[in-house]
Amino acid sequence: EPEVTQTPSHQVTQMGQEVILRCVPISNHLYFYWYRQILGQKVEFLVSFYNNEISEKSEIFDDQFSVERPDGSNFTLKIRSTKLEDSAMYFCASTGLVQETQYFGPGTRLLVL
Amino acid sequence: KNQVEQSPQSLIILEGKNCTLQCNYTVSPFSNLRWYKQDTGRGPVSLTIMTFSENTKSNGRYTATLDADTKQSSLHITASQLSDSASYICVVSASNAGNNRKLIWGLGTSLAVNP
Repeated sequence: EPEVTQTPSHQVTQMGQEVILRCVPISNHLYFYWYRQILGQKVEFLVSFYNNEISEKSEIFDDQFSVERPDGSNFTLKIRSTKLEDSAMYFCASTGLVQETQYFGPGTRLLVL
Repeated sequence: KNQVEQSPQSLIILEGKNCTLQCNYTVSPFSNLRWYKQDTGRGPVSLTIMTFSENTKSNGRYTATLDADTKQSSLHITASQLSDSASYICVVSASNAGNNRKLIWGLGTSLAVNP
């Protein structure tokens, strides 16, 4: 069964450093998403991406965040200058049609020191 | 304000027993309601997705109900297994203009199934 994959599984970085989280969505999917989950808290929507552009973003997704689909398979989330509060689990998801179930990747656990 | 509230916050049951998890929402306009299972440290996995016209939907030992009038949903787990130990999250999709959708996430119910 096809699945969403994410790399790395864990990332430790120093405050102020840039990180890039990578995702490979399911191959025939069209809509891509990034979410984050701070330990013990709700999953929070960050951004949705369709047709090579951002279709919606939350208030969390400020100028420090950017997304890119550099080729036909990868979907990346970049945090330009990480803060301590960026420490969280970051999930990528994809779906074929917007109304359909979103398939989530296993997540990247980001720790900012 | 769009919100999803779940109860109980946590639940411990013995293997083989049934349990029911609750979800109340205030989301408008409503598009659909989803239940996800999230194992610790893993991504959520979809169990069911229901539109306002669907009252009940099953997926194996999981049965979800939806009352769009009272804005309540439940997830019933039958004959629980140790592998059911996870967080169960209710997520409501709100329709926005155009093709965008916004998912409103609950905090989840943490279920522990003990032998």
